Amino acid sequence: GAVVSQHPSRVICKSGTSVKIECRSLDFQATTMFWYRQFPKQSLMLMATSNEGSKATYEQGVEKDKFLINHASLTLSTLTVTSAHPEDSSFYICSARGLAAGTQETQYFGPGTRLLVL
Amino acid sequence: GEDVEQSLFLSVREGDSSVINCTYTDSSSTYLYWYKQEPGAGLQLLTYIFSNMDMKQDQRLTVLLNKKDKHLSLRIADTQTGDSAIYFCAEGQTGYSTLTFGKGTMLLVSP
Repeated sequence: GAVVSQHPSRVICKSGTSVKIECRSLDFQATTMFWYRQFPKQSLMLMATSNEGSKATYEQGVEKDKFLINHASLTLSTLTVTSAHPEDSSFYICSARGLAAGTQETQYFGPGTRLLVL
Repeated sequence: GEDVEQSLFLSVREGDSSVINCTYTDSSSTYLYWYKQEPGAGLQLLTYIFSNMDMKQDQRLTVLLNKKDKHLSLRIADTQTGDSAIYFCAEGQTGYSTLTFGKGTMLLVSP
């Protein structure tokens, strides 16, 4: 149980285009989803926290207009990287925390999406 | 602010025990987690411990918590080559708060 998927797993795009990454909780309802960015050989950097049906809370230094987050249902959150540039190339990981007992107290992570902007 | 520190690298031989250490600064940390990340993959929750516990054991994994020293360790018994990965320590003030992660410890298990 408590499986989180991400799609796509890898994406290559041209500079200036937008890319959407989906995060789904497959077997539980997620009230809260988190988006992280991970640089090579480094820890995870929390970008934003999103609660279903409300606006995301962004961490300091993360541009809201560049990284658009939508959490429209209890099983789906999306991260859209708008007007992507090579410096946005990274590994993006989402996590989800659930409603039900057993899924409330931990974050369950997706497999990550590798974004390469040329 | 909160800070979580881990050693960056650990190398062991197959069959030995591995001990990965973590220290944290936030005395109000209530939940302490260990995650495993294999190359190119997301994070897999291994185990977590509440701050009112000293030890938690789950098969080959043993977590020890010294709350006074704010020190957490993960022991892996009979380490296998499949255990080679990066192990992240993380803390949260509550089960509902955001997590603060350490930089991760790369565990390399040689045959």
